[in-house]
Amino acid sequence: DVKVTQSSRYLVKRTGEKVFLECVQDMDHENMFWYRQDPGLGLRLIYFSYDVKMKEKGDIPEGYSVSREKKERFSLILESASTNQTSMYLCASSPDGYEQYFGPGTRLTVT
Amino acid sequence: GIQVEQSPPDLILQEGANSTLRCNFSDSVNNLQWFHQNPWGQLINLFYIPSGTKQNGRLSATTVATERYSLLYISSSQTTDSGVYFCAVDYKLSFGAGTTVTVRA
Repeated sequence: DVKVTQSSRYLVKRTGEKVFLECVQDMDHENMFWYRQDPGLGLRLIYFSYDVKMKEKGDIPEGYSVSREKKERFSLILESASTNQTSMYLCASSPDGYEQYFGPGTRLTVT
Repeated sequence: GIQVEQSPPDLILQEGANSTLRCNFSDSVNNLQWFHQNPWGQLINLFYIPSGTKQNGRLSATTVATERYSLLYISSSQTTDSGVYFCAVDYKLSFGAGTTVTVRA
């Protein structure tokens, strides 16, 4: 079974803090993705990576950056957290970029 | 981008009932997945079904790619089937708004 883990289920941070969300997959997948989910707006793609050190912007990359130094790990970075980044963050991995497997999600609250 | 529409937005069922959820998409796709979001927020893979028909227990799905729609069937529904069902398409997964299913005992 594919296993995708995320570093925290719940996280509370203060405005202006630098925040790291970690995602790890154990299936040697090439592709990894970060989404956020908000009521009324659905799920939206922030960034994705199709190889180590490779990244591409999704639909809403502003205010975020990513890092992929190892194949199994994809990090989402909020450079200076703001209250409008309070959301549910979901990480996914995929062997081919099509069938995606999701982690449990991180509920981030920025106060 | 590809537009994905799901219907109905809400569905209330009595335990044991059958139901059909629909997903329409605006362009040809190479990928279509159905997910169930559990109460803790995790997206559980139900089907990877860019075309054809698949079955898994009480759930089955059919995608007619040429007509740009997919159907998810739930038979003999149980309270544990409650939650939000999402359809998502294409490489970067464009999601529909979801169907919220409530199964009453």
